[in-house]
Amino acid sequence: GQQLNQSPQSMFIQEGEDVSMNCTSSSIFNTWLWYKQDPGEGPVLLIALYKAGELTSNGRLTAQFGITRKDSFLNISASIPSDVGIYFCAGQLKHSTNAGKSTFGDGTTLTVKP
Amino acid sequence: DAGVIQSPRHEVTEMGQEVTLRCKPISGHDYLFWYRQTMMRGLELLIYFNNNVPIDDSGMPEDRFSAKMPNASFSTLKIQPSEPRDSAVYFCASSFWTLIVNEQFFGPGTRLTVL
Repeated sequence: GQQLNQSPQSMFIQEGEDVSMNCTSSSIFNTWLWYKQDPGEGPVLLIALYKAGELTSNGRLTAQFGITRKDSFLNISASIPSDVGIYFCAGQLKHSTNAGKSTFGDGTTLTVKP
Repeated sequence: DAGVIQSPRHEVTEMGQEVTLRCKPISGHDYLFWYRQTMMRGLELLIYFNNNVPIDDSGMPEDRFSAKMPNASFSTLKIQPSEPRDSAVYFCASSFWTLIVNEQFFGPGTRLTVL
């Protein structure tokens, strides 16, 4: 089945620093999604990307859908303590036998030191 | 909207006991997913339903695990008998397709500890 390789596995940064994480796949996706999981809660959608090459921003977050449709990255600028959590990438392939599900990466655990 | 509701939030049981986890999806969503999250294995999809019908249960670990969705507003995940290695956080999520994306809304999770 499809697998996503998400890196880095964890990051320890100082408040105010920028963060970059990425996901790669051996196969293409129609949609890339980035979720954030706060401690003790379920993941919540941050950004969705629909077209190859698309660059989308949401506040301090910027995400891109790779031209090859096999990768995506997420940047967080000027990190703050509440950015702490686990960030998951996920890919969707609409016209497939398993069209309803998302394939999730293993997550990037972010720690921000004040 | 109340969001996805899961119960119980925490469950502690002894090895060999039956465990039933419950989920109420968001009204109007036609997909329901059960995930398991551990430090070692990350977020694993166990099974998902579309319109109350199981579509893919290839992630269910073994016959001790079973899931049902008797109607659009309720699903259960049952483990019988439970084992210590089943200890994890179990998430339920629901979703529906917009034109081009199927955003999953996750519940708060059930933290299961099997002693």
